[in-house]
Amino acid sequence: GIQVEQSPPDLILQEGANSTLRCNFSDSVNNLQWFHQNPWGQLINLFYIPSGTKQNGRLSATTVATERYSLLYISSSQTTDSGVYFCALSLYNQGGKLIFGQGTELSVKP
Amino acid sequence: EPEVTQTPSHQVTQMGQEVILRCVPISNHLYFYWYRQILGQKVEFLVSFYNNEISEKSEIFDDQFSVERPDGSNFTLKIRSTKLEDSAMYFCASSEGRYAKARGYTFGSGTRLTVV
Repeated sequence: GIQVEQSPPDLILQEGANSTLRCNFSDSVNNLQWFHQNPWGQLINLFYIPSGTKQNGRLSATTVATERYSLLYISSSQTTDSGVYFCALSLYNQGGKLIFGQGTELSVKP
Repeated sequence: EPEVTQTPSHQVTQMGQEVILRCVPISNHLYFYWYRQILGQKVEFLVSFYNNEISEKSEIFDDQFSVERPDGSNFTLKIRSTKLEDSAMYFCASSEGRYAKARGYTFGSGTRLTVV
């Protein structure tokens, strides 16, 4: 089956720092999303980004589908950015189900 | 922005009891899903539902699980005889189309199920 690998698994930042989270995948995808799981367990949809670049405030994401990776950039991090960031994708030949990576656990210190 | 609503947010149940988790998907969405996340692990697909029938299910979704769309708005997940290992966060999701173009999937806030 498809491999979805996220790196790094853990990240500790000082407030105000920038970071880049990476998602590598092993097959062609028709959907890729980044989610933030907050400390209460809620999954917040950050980006729908099967290809190209999008920006939303301090967050931006880039997916290079031909090279099978996606990047999530967090600039000027805040303590509220803490939580787990998941990359999730679906494949052309496997219906619409999302396959999640293991996540990157981010902790932003004041 | 439209939301997927899940109830209850927390449920504690005795092992062997039946539980029903409820979801109200976004009104114009046609595809509905349940996912599960055991504490500290990644989110796993359980089942997808379209046109009043299951379109795909995972190995986790065995005979003790069932889904139903009892009316035009609700989507439920039933676990017939809960086991300790069913303790997890259960997420409902919906999408406009099978491949969720344009906006992707919208997830509910989850139901944290604890089996004791």
